[in-house]
Amino acid sequence: QKEVEQDPGPLSVPEGAIVSLNCTYSNSAFQYFMWYRQYSRKGPELLMYTYSSGNKEDGRFTAQVDKSSKYISLFIRDSQPSDSATYLCAMSRVGSQGNLIFGKGTKLSVKP
Amino acid sequence: DTEVTQTPKHLVMGMTNKKSLKCEQHMGHRAMYWYKQKAKKPPELMFVYSYEKLSINESVPSRFSPECPNSSLLNLHLHALQPEDSALYLCASSGEANGDYGYTFGSGTRLTVV
Repeated sequence: QKEVEQDPGPLSVPEGAIVSLNCTYSNSAFQYFMWYRQYSRKGPELLMYTYSSGNKEDGRFTAQVDKSSKYISLFIRDSQPSDSATYLCAMSRVGSQGNLIFGKGTKLSVKP
Repeated sequence: DTEVTQTPKHLVMGMTNKKSLKCEQHMGHRAMYWYKQKAKKPPELMFVYSYEKLSINESVPSRFSPECPNSSLLNLHLHALQPEDSALYLCASSGEANGDYGYTFGSGTRLTVV
């Protein structure tokens, strides 16, 4: 079993839809959870960061972490064509020193 | 614009060339990283510098040589690379090496080895 599982998609939705992206993981030691957005041929851009469990909201984005189920989610409300990108979940343990464990990424396309 | 700046954005080099990738951040972060990303794959960690000292080398071949001249700068020296080393090379930084508040990535250097 891979440490982090993420459906690679592709996922295609109409503009204005609510998008739900998620990852599951197996290592209960993970404490830091991140979502990155990566446009083609660009570096990953940090969207959301969560320490331990709970929800976090930033504009149209909401991140949820459920450590009991080892499941994290990213919701995008009122999706826009500019949201079309690959979304990577990433997580790490305390003291892991840069050793982010990434999911494979989900490619999202928002159609006008 | 990203707060981690990488130069050059694109690099084509022959297998006998020596070149360097540069990374700069002015966020006061104390940990800096090099990652390698192949097409349609997630980034993979290569090196970690914490307080300007190399703390992790993820079994990277010696043809890749990192250097951290000061707390804001990170270099990756390249020598005698192979075509399979062609990839997007990403620099990242964080407040501490434990990743508090996430890692900020640069836009990357797209390297092609011919």
